Amino acid sequence: GQNIDQPTEMTATEGAIVQINCTYQTSGFNGLFWYQQHAGEAPTFLSYNVLDGLEEKGRFSSFLSRSKGYSYLLLKELQMKDSASYLCAVRGPTDSWGKLQFGAGTQVVVTP
Amino acid sequence: DVKVTQSSRYLVKRTGEKVFLECVQDMDHENMFWYRQDPGLGLRLIYFSYDVKMKEKGDIPEGYSVSREKKERFSLILESASTNQTSMYLCASSLTAGVGDTQYFGPGTRLTVL
Repeated sequence: GQNIDQPTEMTATEGAIVQINCTYQTSGFNGLFWYQQHAGEAPTFLSYNVLDGLEEKGRFSSFLSRSKGYSYLLLKELQMKDSASYLCAVRGPTDSWGKLQFGAGTQVVVTP
Repeated sequence: DVKVTQSSRYLVKRTGEKVFLECVQDMDHENMFWYRQDPGLGLRLIYFSYDVKMKEKGDIPEGYSVSREKKERFSLILESASTNQTSMYLCASSLTAGVGDTQYFGPGTRLTVL
């Protein structure tokens, strides 16, 4: 199975940078996803990492180290609309039909 | 754009009632998933389906069943609702089970069982 840990809540100021860490222990690994979920809404896809390194997409970047079982999501130039929950999800072994195991989510609060 | 819709945003049922939650996707996706989301626990997989009439148990299938008679529709059934099934239910779909295939989520159904 998978065990996925991420902080419960983080607070940052508009315009700042926030880094959300995610650690995982897994019996098989085929990639790590980050989703954003605003209150009362569906999770929406942000990024996917399967190889080590940094993936950049505008203000958002995601990093993966498979040997350390570690990922982070970096949010730059924070905006008020970035206040949301950020979900880390790990995809299991190849024979797992694309199932994802989710962390409990990190609530990011952006203050003026 | 992928669109995943769920039949209700809010639902209130009584203990012992049979409850149907419907999910429809419009992108010819093979895989469909049902999760529940509870504070502090994150999303937990109840059941998933990788083809019409095919289903597999997720991590917490007890008290639930599913039906997939058509490719675009995946139903979650609570045979006899209980108060501990009060939760947010999220449906998702993905094109295939290929590496990197993203799951797309519906808006969720907030179910309250009294």
